[in-house]
Amino acid sequence: AQSVTQLDSQVPVFEEAPVELRCNYSSSVSVYLFWYVQYPNQGLQLLLKYLSGSTLVKGINGFEAEFNKSQTSFHLRKPSVHISDTAEYFCAVRGIGGGADGLTFGKGTHLIIQP
Amino acid sequence: DTGVSQDPRHKITKRGQNVTFRCDPISEHNRLYWYRQTLGQGPEFLTYFQNEAQLEKSRLLSDRFSAERPKGSFSTLEIQRTEQGDSAMYLCASSLLPDSYEQYFGPGTRLTVT
Repeated sequence: AQSVTQLDSQVPVFEEAPVELRCNYSSSVSVYLFWYVQYPNQGLQLLLKYLSGSTLVKGINGFEAEFNKSQTSFHLRKPSVHISDTAEYFCAVRGIGGGADGLTFGKGTHLIIQP
Repeated sequence: DTGVSQDPRHKITKRGQNVTFRCDPISEHNRLYWYRQTLGQGPEFLTYFQNEAQLEKSRLLSDRFSAERPKGSFSTLEIQRTEQGDSAMYLCASSLLPDSYEQYFGPGTRLTVT
């Protein structure tokens, strides 16, 4: 079984400032990692994913994340945020092998961009 | 490609009534997933299908919940004898394995049980 902890329920940041949203996970097996974004009244949209290879992955809208296996973390970063980045961000994991295919999500981080 | 669609988008029902939701995945996607999202929480996995076969069910899926994907295309999720605790957003997602591990989500069906 897996679990995901998003340490911050809300992150306020000024427009054009950098931001980091933290995600830690726990799993007894290797995992794939994902970040999803949910805009108000919309479905979840994939920002980026880590399956294997380079631990630094780049996604859409200028976001990137770094997989750190020793710290079991997958923090999301953006060097300069925009008002349009205001949304709920979810970190998710999927265990590799064993037949289980459902994603395990964290509780989400609400990113609030202040002008 | 119109994406994953769900119907209805909103449903208000009285406690004890049965409700059914429909999900149409992206065409040719072989996997279909159901999740439940309550206020202030992340989505929680309920069940998934590979074509028409239901391969995994979460312990969250009580006996009052049943899901089907009879022809390997659209899926339905039925909740019998609804309870106030069933009030949530029900999300559907689809994916095409083994090509992609990305799950594409629909807009969800918001259920309110009064």
